[in-house]
Amino acid sequence: DAGVTQSPTHLIKTRGQQVTLRCSPKSGHDTVSWYQQALGQGPQFIFQYYEEEERQRGNFPDRFSGHQFPNYSSELNVNALLLGDSALYLCASSFYGTGLSGANVLTFGAGSRLTVL
Amino acid sequence: GEDVEQSLFLSVREGDSSVINCTYTDSSSTYLYWYKQEPGAGLQLLTYIFSNMDMKQDQRLTVLLNKKDKHLSLRIADTQTGDSAIYFCAERRQAGTALIFGKGTTLSVSS
Repeated sequence: DAGVTQSPTHLIKTRGQQVTLRCSPKSGHDTVSWYQQALGQGPQFIFQYYEEEERQRGNFPDRFSGHQFPNYSSELNVNALLLGDSALYLCASSFYGTGLSGANVLTFGAGSRLTVL
Repeated sequence: GEDVEQSLFLSVREGDSSVINCTYTDSSSTYLYWYKQEPGAGLQLLTYIFSNMDMKQDQRLTVLLNKKDKHLSLRIADTQTGDSAIYFCAERRQAGTALIFGKGTTLSVSS
């Protein structure tokens, strides 16, 4: 059973460019969350998608946008890249039902490491 | 200040017990979690505890929760070199499902 898969694993962009990161959730999961982990920091919540809609959003500018597809996979888009966007971007999947009243256990992918020059 | 605070570094000898501490600020937190991150990898869930519990044990791992002091700890018994990693404490607040993470504690195990 494949867990959460993310692509690409590494990429380098320059300031002002745009980037798209992709995520396939764990089998049986219907919810995808994205987190940004800067070097030496803990992950910070960007947003969550369920039923192809953004359900919750963290404190990130609207340069960060996302999408969820009918097969539950998701994309994270970042426009007008800044040097400070350099980070590991983690995708996590879960089952929405357990998030409402249960532990909402997240399964994380290995991440996409973005370097902005 | 940080919503979730952890000491940044812990060094132990192989075979000893490790105790990683965490404090959080939101008294409405419902679940608290411990995740492990190895170099170049994502986060692996180790264990979690519901806020109305005081303790949870899972093989070598023991989680203690002091809700009054908003203090969470993870004890790893018989620590092995393979336990060397960064350990993150996270809380889930009642308002939503997003996890709030600490900065992580780097555990170094020497043989």
